[in-house]
Amino acid sequence: GQQLNQSPQSMFIQEGEDVSMNCTSSSIFNTWLWYKQDPGEGPVLLIALYKAGELTSNGRLTAQFGITRKDSFLNISASIPSDVGIYFCAGHRTNAGKSTFGDGTTLTVKP
Amino acid sequence: KAGVTQTPRYLIKTRGQQVTLSCSPISGHRSVSWYQQTPGQGLQFLFEYFSETQRNKGNFPGRFSGRQFSNSRSEMNVSTLELGDSALYLCASSLASGLAYYNEQFFGPGTRLTVL
Repeated sequence: GQQLNQSPQSMFIQEGEDVSMNCTSSSIFNTWLWYKQDPGEGPVLLIALYKAGELTSNGRLTAQFGITRKDSFLNISASIPSDVGIYFCAGHRTNAGKSTFGDGTTLTVKP
Repeated sequence: KAGVTQTPRYLIKTRGQQVTLSCSPISGHRSVSWYQQTPGQGLQFLFEYFSETQRNKGNFPGRFSGRQFSNSRSEMNVSTLELGDSALYLCASSLASGLAYYNEQFFGPGTRLTVL
């Protein structure tokens, strides 16, 4: 089963609002990742975080790697209709050689 | 540069049958990972192949197997299909294996398998 707790499960927001979602784990990860998946497509990497405490932006998206290495959050500012989709967090452990994914946050943006 | 391609995109099978899915990674990528995506379980790691060798395996029964060819293309096989195998099967390619350090994975569009 999943080792990551991603919340919220879904969000309904108005265009222009800011969005925040987060992911927590009982285990430490070396890398935190945030993906977006559109219907009928595979996930696309938005942001990768490699160091505890790291804060990284990609346009209107900002993500942080938690100090404890057990959590991460993603913020989207000034949401637009094309932000609609499912956002996944994932943690990667090099000794495990694989990424573990959260259950996703489904974002709906009302114009 | 062409992205990751998966064939077929959609597949309908009946219980007990077997199925083979194909994944062609981005040119130059040597690692291919497979994931199963279902509404209830999310994205679950199946296995990773690198240079024709299985490098890593998730917690799936032996009915799920895979292989990688010398051109890095990979196939995934599921034998004796069960209703619960209905899912979106995604493959992801990366330059190198994820065992040394994280390598950015690029996902294909997936194969939607329905088992009746």
